[in-house]
This record gives sequence, structure tokens and C-alpha cells, in this order.
Amino acid sequence: AQTVTQSQPEMSVQEAETVTLSCTYDTSENNYYLFWYKQPPSRQMILVIRQEAYKQQNATENRFSVNFQKAAKSFSLKISDSQLGDTAMYFCAFMNGGGSNYKLTFGKGTLLTVNP
Amino acid sequence: ETGVTQSPTHLIKTRGQQVTLRCSSQSGHNTVSWYQQALGQGPQFIFQYYREEENGRGNFPPRFSGLQFPNYSSELNVNALELDDSALYLCASSRDRASNEQYFGPGTRLTVT
Repeated sequence: AQTVTQSQPEMSVQEAETVTLSCTYDTSENNYYLFWYKQPPSRQMILVIRQEAYKQQNATENRFSVNFQKAAKSFSLKISDSQLGDTAMYFCAFMNGGGSNYKLTFGKGTLLTVNP
Repeated sequence: ETGVTQSPTHLIKTRGQQVTLRCSSQSGHNTVSWYQQALGQGPQFIFQYYREEENGRGNFPPRFSGLQFPNYSSELNVNALELDDSALYLCASSRDRASNEQYFGPGTRLTVT
């Protein structure tokens, strides 16, 4: 079974600065996807960024980028130029790319607070 | 394009009762997944429905059951409610069961007293 570990329950950062959230995972599969989801107080889970395991290039989406280290099974999220609206729970998630059931396995989350 | 919607927003039930939660998938999506998110935890996969059939199930007892309708909307039913069933229940839809992109609804907060 796959597991996802987020070792930082809480993080804080000053507005406009950069912060990195950590995530490690465990799997024996070779074909999979990794995700970072954001869950603000409104509770809606929003996809931030996605990485296909077969791609060596790290995914980027505007101010959000990942550092994907496949051998180390590490998938960290870097948020540049942090904004107050980035305050939320951030969840790292894994999805197996094979088979017929594409379920997400989530970590416990990191609460990020952006301070003015 | 309408996003994923869930109803009701909040619900309070008594232990032993039964509850039905509803989810309307995003337009063009035929797959719905349900997740349970306990307070302070990440979501846990309950089950997935694809074209009205269950397509995978997580580690949840049989009193958690579901349905998917021809319009791809879905219901989650929980019988014999327990206090530990108190959680946020999230529904996510995807274009197809093989799609790796899941779009979440706002969730239903269930409180069991």
C-alpha cells in the first residue's frame, strides 16, 4: 500500500517570501502521479500542481513549483512570493497510474500561515 | 461549466441513524469518488463509482454504501451512524475513471451526536 508523509504539521512565512513544504511517499510502483492540493477555510480542495512520475522535469504553475526526487521518493512544494491568500492547509497526494481505480492517497497536511 | 456540488452543507445526526449525502458531478464527468476527512487529517478514500458501478473501495465497513445515477450524480449512504463518522465528506468527479485529475466539491460536514 502507498503511504504519504508530511512531516511539518504547521509552517509560517512572511508575505512576499518563499516557503517550502515537504512530502515523502512510499510505493513500489513505477507509474504514478503526485499532487499538491490546497484546502482553505472554505473547505474546497483545490488542485495546486501535478507531477507525472515518468517526467524528470519539475512541474511549475506560476508561483508554485515542485522538487521531485524520484529515487528519494520526495516531492516538495515551493511557494514563491507568498500571498495572504496562500494561507491554507496543503495536502500532498499520490495516485497510482496503473489499474482501473484511480484513488488519491493523502498525507495529513501542513497548515501554512502567511503573515503580513 | 458547473463545478462539483454537494448537499447538504451541514448535517447533524444521532448515533444509530442513517444519512444520505448527495453529489452532482462536473459536466462531462462520469466518475465520482468519495472521501472522508476527519478533523485534522487528510481525506481517506471511501469508494469510487464509474458509470453506475462501484469501481474500487477503501477500508470502510459495508454500512458505507453508494449509488451513481444515469446522470452520473452520486449518493453516499451511511447506516447505523457512529460518533467516529463525524467528518467532512468530500466528493470528487473526474472525466473518466482513468483520469488523474479529480475535482472536488465543497464537502458536507456531518456531525454525529
